[in-house]
Amino acid sequence: AQSVTQLDSHVSVSEGTPVLLRCNYSSSYSPSLFWYVQHPNKGLQLLLKYTSAATLVKGINGFEAEFKKSETSFHLTKPSAHMSDAAEYFCVVTSGAGNMLTFGGGTRLMVKP
Amino acid sequence: NAGVTQTPKFQVLKTGQSMTLQCAQDMNHEYMSWYRQDPGMGLRLIHYSVGAGITDQGEVPNGYNVSRSTTEDFPLRLLSAAPSQTSVYFCASSYRGASRYNSPLHFGNGTRLTVT
Repeated sequence: AQSVTQLDSHVSVSEGTPVLLRCNYSSSYSPSLFWYVQHPNKGLQLLLKYTSAATLVKGINGFEAEFKKSETSFHLTKPSAHMSDAAEYFCVVTSGAGNMLTFGGGTRLMVKP
Repeated sequence: NAGVTQTPKFQVLKTGQSMTLQCAQDMNHEYMSWYRQDPGMGLRLIHYSVGAGITDQGEVPNGYNVSRSTTEDFPLRLLSAAPSQTSVYFCASSYRGASRYNSPLHFGNGTRLTVT
């Protein structure tokens, strides 16, 4: 069994300040972990993925995430928020071949000017 | 490039009606899947397919049927619509399962379904 908990449903930051979106997971097997972003009225786009290589993963648009097995966490960070980062972000876990993905409930990121 | 195409974009049904949500991809992806998105619950997997002629149930399959007669198409059928099926539906595809071959999911833009 696998599950994902996104610890904040809403996060608000000012433009130019750091972003932290928190994600904890559970998985019976070695997991693969992903972050996806969804802009309004759009489908989801992959930001980054972890599949048992380097524990610090860099993605698109300056985002990165660190896999911490001891804490079962995969938090998403960005040093400096842009207005265009305002969107909903989903943490996702899967295992094995990756046919069954489990999504977290999502975190809506708001960026204030 | 078209990617993943879903039709229709919007649909309103009455309780008990049936309909098919269409999904097509032009990337020769083996893996295709259907999700529903409800507020605060993220996306939940309905059904998926790892190739033509092969389908399997996801987390919330009840009330939905799928088939995969071709690599390109993966329609989702609602047999008898219920208000609980009001949701936004996303189709997604990838080369293989998400953990293999660095193959991210490609999503369509969604179908917003309302059942009254």
